Amino acid sequence: DADVTQTPRNRITKTGKRIMLECSQTKGHDRMYWYRQDPGLGLQLIYYSFDVKDINKGEISDGYSVSRQAQAKFSLSLESAIPNQTALYFCATSDAGTGPYNEQFFGPGTRLTVL
Amino acid sequence: DAKTTQPPSMDCAEGRAANLPCNHSTISGNEYVYWYRQIHSQGPQYIIHGLKNNETNEMASLIITEDRKSSTLILPHATLRDTAVYYCIVRVGGTGRRALTFGSGTRLQVQP
Repeated sequence: DADVTQTPRNRITKTGKRIMLECSQTKGHDRMYWYRQDPGLGLQLIYYSFDVKDINKGEISDGYSVSRQAQAKFSLSLESAIPNQTALYFCATSDAGTGPYNEQFFGPGTRLTVL
Repeated sequence: DAKTTQPPSMDCAEGRAANLPCNHSTISGNEYVYWYRQIHSQGPQYIIHGLKNNETNEMASLIITEDRKSSTLILPHATLRDTAVYYCIVRVGGTGRRALTFGSGTRLQVQP
């Protein structure tokens, strides 16, 4: 079984709809992240959480909200979807650790299309 | 975090070494160099990281210049499966409260 799972894998929705993307991990990591990737571009950080009670905005948080329901679950919501939120969304996790090693483990991605 | 500059694309013949450069002239003394790659819309995958010494693992080697202003990721015997976008990232390691910043990366095309 995959260590980081995302649901749904593909979603088509209409402008103005509320949508939630879910991420679950079995790695036991404290830190979780949501990234967005537009075609041909690198990843942009939306939100991240370093533990269950910690939520931080990333580079492009406007129009998004998150919920860290448990150590293993981190959800991303689009309250009112708009077409320019059409993108590939990735969830990632990492261990807090005490050394320099900062590997992030990524999920398979959710392809979201807003019509 | 230090800004990185990578060529947008590179080609490499299968079986040859692929050398991917990265410039990070504003790197600070406590910042590490990380490399990730992304194969065709999959989630990025960690490759290697280093501070100032050269590093090698089962996937690649990382060569960091003595002044730390640039580095090169080396895939010693590139295969078609190494075709991907490679991201060079510079940031403080460990428990710093900042996430990774991905730029546009280098699109490596391994040719048969």
